[in-house]
Parts: sequence; C-alpha cells; structure tokens
Amino acid sequence: GQQLNQSPQSMFIQEGEDVSMNCTSSSIFNTWLWYKQDPGEGPVLLIALYKAGELTSNGRLTAQFGITRKDSFLNISASIPSDVGIYFCAGLEDNQGGKLIFGQGTELSVKP
Amino acid sequence: DTEVTQTPKHLVMGMTNKKSLKCEQHMGHRAMYWYKQKAKKPPELMFVYSYEKLSINESVPSRFSPECPNSSLLNLHLHALQPEDSALYLCASSPSPGTEETQYFGPGTRLLVL
Repeated sequence: GQQLNQSPQSMFIQEGEDVSMNCTSSSIFNTWLWYKQDPGEGPVLLIALYKAGELTSNGRLTAQFGITRKDSFLNISASIPSDVGIYFCAGLEDNQGGKLIFGQGTELSVKP
Repeated sequence: DTEVTQTPKHLVMGMTNKKSLKCEQHMGHRAMYWYKQKAKKPPELMFVYSYEKLSINESVPSRFSPECPNSSLLNLHLHALQPEDSALYLCASSPSPGTEETQYFGPGTRLLVL
C-alpha cells in the first residue's frame, strides 16, 4: 500500500546527542502524527499536528507540520537510553475515511 | 484516559483452530481499527469500523472476520489461519473516522500460528 518516505531508516547515536528524522509525501495531508513503538508493544502517540506550519513540542520532542503539507519532521533533544525504539510518522489524507498512511519507521539506538 | 485495551496479549494457535481477539475502549470513540504488523514494519490497515459499521476492508482474507458488537468493543475472529498470519495485531480507535482525528493504539496481541 501507499507509504510515506521516512528517513533515516536507522540511527545509532550517543546519549546526549540530538536526533532528527523526517517524512515526505507526494500527497497533501491534513494531519501528521508521530508515534514511538517499543518491542512487543503498540505504537504510542508522541505528537499530533493539525495545521500547516504548526510547530509543537512535547518535553524533549519537537515536531513540525511542513508548510506545503507534504512533509513533517521530529526532533529529539539530549537523547537518553529510553528513547530507544522505532519511530513512525503517519499522515491522514482528505476523504480517506480515517486511513492512516505510515512511514517505514526510524529505528533509534542510543549508546549510554 | 486514552487507553485501548486488547486481550489476549499472546496467542498461539494451530491452523485448524478458531480463536478471537478482543479490543475495548471507553473514550466514546466511534471509529475503531484493526491493523496487522510484522516485525520492524509499519502497521498495515485491515479493517475500519465507523459508528459500528464496517467502512473499510483492505482486501483481507475471509479467514479474518471482524465484528463490532457495540461502540466500545471490537473483535477479530480467526479461523483456519496460515503460519504467515503470525504477527502483532493492533487495535486502534479515534473519535471519528475524520481527517483530523488522532488514532490511539492498544498494546497489541502477539499471534503465532503453528
């Protein structure tokens, strides 16, 4: 099915470093969502974005809804070991009945 | 409260068994979803229920049969599954199936088909 282009696919960083990941699409989205998933668990919502240009923070996390409505990024500042997991972006298109389109995921590893 | 619960957490079944997965939410959400997820891949949508009616079926094989008994419950009935159906099955809900609605996921049921 349709997927978003999410990059990077994986990241290996040192504790304390900042992290940035992004998603792009050829389609316009009305909503961008960022989820984190730990092994064996369901995705947990981190940030939801509803307006083009919107910049939203949640603790050390910051995400932005691109002005063209075709992209979004997620930044994590001062990473800690518990940030380890897979991060997925997801978008909602107009008139799709709530069908989420997911990115391929970014697997984050943090070395203490 | 943004909790979606799923039972069981783990399930092992043979190819001739019949089993059911259950999902429950008490947030008053009127859209509920079933997803299938393979390891390190994004969730794949299977079904969407909107106001207790099936609104989207993503060409899922008939050995998967969804059911929405009421606005809080969503079931997935399994019969004659194949080993390739082994995966994490996720339930999600949102206030409505609109374009600006956040979906909240449950913890999933880890299914192994032998």
